[in-house]
Amino acid sequence: RKEVEQDPGPFNVPEGATVAFNCTYSNSASQSFFWYRQDCRKEPKLLMSVYSSGNEDGRFTAQLNRASQYISLLIRDSKLSDSATYLCVVSWGEGSGGYQKVTFGTGTKLQVIP
Amino acid sequence: NAGVTQTPKFRVLKTGQSMTLLCAQDMNHEYMYWYRQDPGMGLRLIHYSVGEGTTAKGEVPDGYNVSRLKKQNFLLGLESAAPSQTSVYFCASSRGRGRTEAFFGQGTRLTVV
Repeated sequence: RKEVEQDPGPFNVPEGATVAFNCTYSNSASQSFFWYRQDCRKEPKLLMSVYSSGNEDGRFTAQLNRASQYISLLIRDSKLSDSATYLCVVSWGEGSGGYQKVTFGTGTKLQVIP
Repeated sequence: NAGVTQTPKFRVLKTGQSMTLLCAQDMNHEYMYWYRQDPGMGLRLIHYSVGEGTTAKGEVPDGYNVSRLKKQNFLLGLESAAPSQTSVYFCASSRGRGRTEAFFGQGTRLTVV
């Protein structure tokens, strides 16, 4: 089983629609969670962190469910500019030094259609 | 702010040639990573480093070597390039403690012919 799993998509949605992505992780000791966005032929960039209580940034809402070991990203009122690949990122402690290793999912592709 | 810088941005190699990709970060991050990204495969971890002088294998390490002689630099080497190593390579770094978001370089597009 992969450490971080995502539905690869593509998700094709009309402008204005609401779309949600889920991501599951295998390590119950995971400590930090993020969503990244990657545009075509560009490097991934941080979209938002995911906090235990859930958090919102404009049209984007991220949620964490530790019991079921998944995180979600909800995009409301989709824009054409939201078309990208969305990467789920999880980190957990490794070794005795207290450091956390970052692990990426393979990404979910979103295409917003006019 | 420079952040994470990769060189070169583009390269074409012949089969059997060698090359080194350089990644430099100016954020004093402990962790550094090398990924490759192929169509439909997502990011796959090649090697990573938890600090100066240390390296560890990732998901797809075969055919690559790495070195972290200085904390700010992480080098990825291809000793004998193969067409299967045609890919986009991304370097990333993260603090490793506390907030662990990763910062990426702009990528290196490598073609092996």
